[in-house]
Amino acid sequence: DIQMTQSPSTLSASVGDRVTITCRASQTITSWLAWYQQKPGKAPKLLIYKASTLESGVPSRFSGSGSGTEFTLTISSLQPDDFATYYCQQYNSFSTFGQGTKVEIK
Amino acid sequence: EVQLVESGGGLVQPGGSLRLSCAASGFKFSDYSMNWVRQAPGKGLESVSYISNTGSSIYYADSVKGRFTISRDNAKNSLYLQMNTLRADDTAVYYCARTYNWVSYYWGQGTLVTVSS
Repeated sequence: DIQMTQSPSTLSASVGDRVTITCRASQTITSWLAWYQQKPGKAPKLLIYKASTLESGVPSRFSGSGSGTEFTLTISSLQPDDFATYYCQQYNSFSTFGQGTKVEIK
Repeated sequence: EVQLVESGGGLVQPGGSLRLSCAASGFKFSDYSMNWVRQAPGKGLESVSYISNTGSSIYYADSVKGRFTISRDNAKNSLYLQMNTLRADDTAVYYCARTYNWVSYYWGQGTLVTVSS
């Protein structure tokens, strides 16, 4: 099974900060990686797929990069609505998620 | 508007069974693969099972293989998850999601399954 490891587990930041979350795969997944945002009590929301393709309607301050085993999600200027938990998902082989990164207010 | 509505969750004893349903609307159900993703209380997301649009391809997480069965009825626009031999660590919110190439674009609101004596 492919394991996904996100870092950090928790990130404290302020509105306007540039935020970067890293996701590492235990083996190569080429670009078969998605990012989701989840708020408490809600279903996850797709942000990015195929490592860097922004889902329709997602603000352009979100971006994704990487290939192979190392990937990043960047929020260029953190907004109040962005405080949430973020998950990466590999779909090269079945599907596995990272453990999540909680972005909290500093 | 795409809508996915899960039902069938509840409290069940260890070793018991439960059948989850997901009613789909707002799109042509038979064109899309579907999956179930669960989230234990306070924990992360776990892919549970996947079914292709025709039902010809099915996958399960190792943690549920042999105990859970995914199915669909395209005539009824419905997805199902039959869960047998339930264990305490199956306790979670179960989401159904519409997928394309394994990416979940639309999610239901989830249904809570609690396995406890």
